[in-house]
Amino acid sequence: EAQVTQNPRYLITVTGKKLTVTCSQNMNHEYMSWYRQDPGLGLRQIYYSMNVEVTDKGDVPEGYKVSRKEKRNFPLILESPSPNQTSLYFCASSLAGQIEKNIQYFGAGTRLSVL
Amino acid sequence: AQKVTQAQTEISVVEKEDVTLDCVYETRDTTYYLFWYKQPPSGELVFLIRRNSFDEQNEISGRYSWNFQKSTSSFNFTITASQVVDSAVYFCALSHRYTNNDMRFGAGTRLTVKP
Repeated sequence: EAQVTQNPRYLITVTGKKLTVTCSQNMNHEYMSWYRQDPGLGLRQIYYSMNVEVTDKGDVPEGYKVSRKEKRNFPLILESPSPNQTSLYFCASSLAGQIEKNIQYFGAGTRLSVL
Repeated sequence: AQKVTQAQTEISVVEKEDVTLDCVYETRDTTYYLFWYKQPPSGELVFLIRRNSFDEQNEISGRYSWNFQKSTSSFNFTITASQVVDSAVYFCALSHRYTNNDMRFGAGTRLTVKP
């Protein structure tokens, strides 16, 4: 089954404790991205990756890091989480970045609480 | 700048009623794409429809229909004979022709369908 898998689904942590949210897709997609969803703001893009070893900032990258060492994986790293990073996070992937060809498919989401 | 406005924060209807979710967008591009996604209580984002700016034909898929009007920059979504399973948050989104990178989401409309 084609899917985007995020782990964990739920995470409670404390300020300053480094964490990683994993994202994996099994569709051989080139393009992957991370979003955060906050009430009243919809989804906002954090980082995206056009292909292996190619990443770039989205609208709200501060406090986040990503890496793309393999095509299927695109982890989101919070080196020193803060309470304002409490949010619902989504990973998405599409065949390529060109929107004419592609629809983004989203993972199930990771709900993060930073105390 | 691109912007999507979903003015209805929450809508509540009784089963079998028809309901329309509004979406108004702003863009300077002549070519763009519009989307609707559904987020059921389980949290995942489910793709519903993508529409190219050159295709103003309305679309119907079962009980779902979409009305795209370029003249009013609107892409409204109607559910006919609503059901409890339609209860979800619905997001409208807008993207530039060439890339997924600048996809803009509206704040979402929470639809509750009561039995």
